[in-house]
Amino acid sequence: DGGITQSPKYLFRKEGQNVTLSCEQNLNHDAMYWYRQDPGQGLRLIYYSQIVNDFQKGDIAEGYSVSREKKESFPLTVTSAQKNPTAFYLCASSAQGSLSYEQYFGPGTRLTVT
Amino acid sequence: AQTVTQSQPEMSVQEAETVTLSCTYDTSESNYYLFWYKQPPSRQMILVIRQEAYKQQNATENRFSVNFQKAAKSFSLKISDSQLGDTAMYFCAFMNYGGATNKLIFGTGTLLAVQP
Repeated sequence: DGGITQSPKYLFRKEGQNVTLSCEQNLNHDAMYWYRQDPGQGLRLIYYSQIVNDFQKGDIAEGYSVSREKKESFPLTVTSAQKNPTAFYLCASSAQGSLSYEQYFGPGTRLTVT
Repeated sequence: AQTVTQSQPEMSVQEAETVTLSCTYDTSESNYYLFWYKQPPSRQMILVIRQEAYKQQNATENRFSVNFQKAAKSFSLKISDSQLGDTAMYFCAFMNYGGATNKLIFGTGTLLAVQP
């Protein structure tokens, strides 16, 4: 089945450690996105990529980094510079040029940093 | 900058009844999309319905329909014949059509509880 996978579902890290969240899609989508979700807030855009080897900062990029070496993969690294990294992280993808511009979401990763 | 406002943090409805979730947005753009996403307890985001701003006709998807009032910048979601499986957080979202990126701007969500 086509879709987006995120692993792991739950992730625990100690403060001061970098951690990388995985996002893979087999929908042949060009664009991929990372969102952060906190209680009582909507999703906020961290980074996005519209094509391989290119990505742009979203609204809350500080303390995060990404890479886009393959069309299928868009990993997110939460660095020790991120002041409040505990959150639910969602990855999404969409087909560029699609009339609907619909974004398809993965199941998310819950990151807890103590 | 575009903003999306959902003024109802929580709502409750009896099974089989109808409920309407409110959403307002602010933009100076004329071409855009509006979406309602559902996030059940599994936390998987699921697209419920989509509306293109250039279309006057309100979108419908089975039991889900919208009331799109472009001049008032209002985009409410009506759920008819509510089912227990409709219990979820519902997010309204805005996307500028033809912009540099397909960036979705989300509201803060409405938690809907369907009571048996």
